[in-house]
Amino acid sequence: RKEVEQDPGPFNVPEGATVAFNCTYSNSASQSFFWYRQDCRKEPKLLMSVYSSGNEDGRFTAQLNRASQYISLLIRDSKLSDSATYLCVVNTGNQFYFGTGTSLTVIP
Amino acid sequence: EPEVTQTPSHQVTQMGQEVILRCVPISNHLYFYWYRQILGQKVEFLVSFYNNEISEKSEIFDDQFSVERPDGSNFTLKIRSTKLEDSAMYFCASSEWGLGQSSYNEQFFGPGTRLTVL
Repeated sequence: RKEVEQDPGPFNVPEGATVAFNCTYSNSASQSFFWYRQDCRKEPKLLMSVYSSGNEDGRFTAQLNRASQYISLLIRDSKLSDSATYLCVVNTGNQFYFGTGTSLTVIP
Repeated sequence: EPEVTQTPSHQVTQMGQEVILRCVPISNHLYFYWYRQILGQKVEFLVSFYNNEISEKSEIFDDQFSVERPDGSNFTLKIRSTKLEDSAMYFCASSEWGLGQSSYNEQFFGPGTRLTVL
């Protein structure tokens, strides 16, 4: 079973739309959780950490459900610049495990 | 804003040759990592390094690979006797806190070295 699973998409949404990405992880002992974004052929860049209480950063909201081992990312009012691949990342033990990423294209 | 840097940006080598990929982590970070990403695939953990020794390594990180912190700023990944399947983007990352130590152990990635093995 994969450590981290994501719907690869692609998600194609119009500007201004709200889009949600989901991620599940297999190890209940996982300790910390993150969303990174990765532009084509670039390095992953931290978007936000995900806390049990949920957290928001501008148009982005992340949620963690430890009971269901599920992480989500909500993007409101999508911008063209949000087009990227969004990576769900989970720290389990001494390793970071990456999902395969969900591709988002925001269309004018 | 402090950032992780990596050199070279692109390395082309012949199969069987040795390569050294270089990284300069963020200066106040103590934990360092190498990842690889084969084109079109997910990012994969290779190794973590702290206090001049390997903390954790994945099954990918076999005897072909080694890491070193030769001085106070550089962190290197050596790949001996490269194979065609070693062709990938290699990312270095660093963090202030270690994995499992804090919920705030965000890792910051360098721009990567694209390794092409011919």
